[in-house]
Amino acid sequence: SQQGEEDPQALSIQEGENATMNCSYKTSINNLQWYRQNSGRGLVHLILIRSNEREKHSGRLRVTLDTSKKSSSLLITASRAADTASYFCATGSQAGTALIFGKGTTLSVSS
Amino acid sequence: EAQVTQNPRYLITVTGKKLTVTCSQNMNHEYMSWYRQDPGLGLRQIYYSMNVEVTDKGDVPEGYKVSRKEKRNFPLILESPSPNQTSLYFCASSLSGGQGARSPLHFGNGTRLTVT
Repeated sequence: SQQGEEDPQALSIQEGENATMNCSYKTSINNLQWYRQNSGRGLVHLILIRSNEREKHSGRLRVTLDTSKKSSSLLITASRAADTASYFCATGSQAGTALIFGKGTTLSVSS
Repeated sequence: EAQVTQNPRYLITVTGKKLTVTCSQNMNHEYMSWYRQDPGLGLRQIYYSMNVEVTDKGDVPEGYKVSRKEKRNFPLILESPSPNQTSLYFCASSLSGGQGARSPLHFGNGTRLTVT
């Protein structure tokens, strides 16, 4: 049961530019999380934002959440080649116990 | 170092030959889960466990079994693997499960399984 849908599916930028990825979901959530996956490796948790929060920062990452539009965005500022990875949003619904992942955005940062 | 350890990293097997993928975490996490990742389908949950001796089906449980006899271990068992189970498998754990999935997941590095 896919809940989150990331947009765009793929994004290519130059080092130093900002990268923005969006996530839309369908049902009421308790929280939304973003994860990064380097090629074929395990996912790494980046940030968790609760349904009563609107914005959260962690280093070069900024996440926003708009529960009225059922959407979230992840902004990576001043991108580096090492940011090249796939990024997934995952939602924890109020009714369920599982994190439901979207299909991800593949980010490519070239130097 | 806090981690989730999966073994093996790569596995090639033949149809029908029973196999087990092990998963162990050293963070005293209550919640553990198995996902499979397939191109175009994203991550899908196979089974999860809220605590010792408590397991439940995820979205795609058919053809898989799990057990949770100890808090740290959560093996995934394929009794009779088939080619459609060729996939990348991830074990994950979090401090707690429960309503709303409030805790971040810690993932293992994955097991790439090929069934011929």
